[in-house]
Amino acid sequence: AQKITQTQPGMFVQEKEAVTLDCTYDTSDQSYGLFWYKQPSSGEMIFLIYQGSYDEQNATEGRYSLNFQKARKSANLVISASQLGDSAMYFCAMREGGYNNNDMRFGAGTRLTVKP
Amino acid sequence: GAGVSQSPRYKVAKRGQDVALRCDPISGHVSLFWYQQALGQGPEFLTYFQNEAQLDKSGLPSDRFFAERPEGSVSTLKIQRTQQEDSAVYLCASSYYGVESNQPQHFGDGTRLSIL
Repeated sequence: AQKITQTQPGMFVQEKEAVTLDCTYDTSDQSYGLFWYKQPSSGEMIFLIYQGSYDEQNATEGRYSLNFQKARKSANLVISASQLGDSAMYFCAMREGGYNNNDMRFGAGTRLTVKP
Repeated sequence: GAGVSQSPRYKVAKRGQDVALRCDPISGHVSLFWYQQALGQGPEFLTYFQNEAQLDKSGLPSDRFFAERPEGSVSTLKIQRTQQEDSAVYLCASSYYGVESNQPQHFGDGTRLSIL
């Protein structure tokens, strides 16, 4: 079964506007972590933001924030004030809890294009 | 540099040849991961090391795939008798080992493998 679902293959946003990238996940664990990564055309995966399942507040990192709705099992990424350099693939990922569980599952990704 | 280093950046091989991909993790990172990323997809987990111990190899697609990390630092992913379906980007990631699920994985730039 798909653990991470990103329903938007591609998104467009005007420069300086905000954009939301959707992510839903499936787990029966109570403890898990949610991550967003950015992958520019150069291929590197850049860690953006983390949300823990027990965190009561939504995570924020600069222009990135995570809209975490636990009951809906969604962890949408919000990018404010988009910049041309934000054009890239964005991946949502989850790691379920457990002492030795390091298997991170990724979604299929969303390609974001920022228009000037 | 201080990041995860992978080599070669690109590798072209003929079907049936053996290939070896190298990963040099961030210094001091105990955990090391290999992922396979097909074109247009998110990364898929292959295998995980904690120091020199390979604790999880459940994602390796066949016995043609072999990974090692003999001294707990540099890792090599070897693919024997390559097939065209092995063509993908192979990503290496490392993280500082912790008992919590909140440890982000830091990725290298990947090796793009093309099998002719």
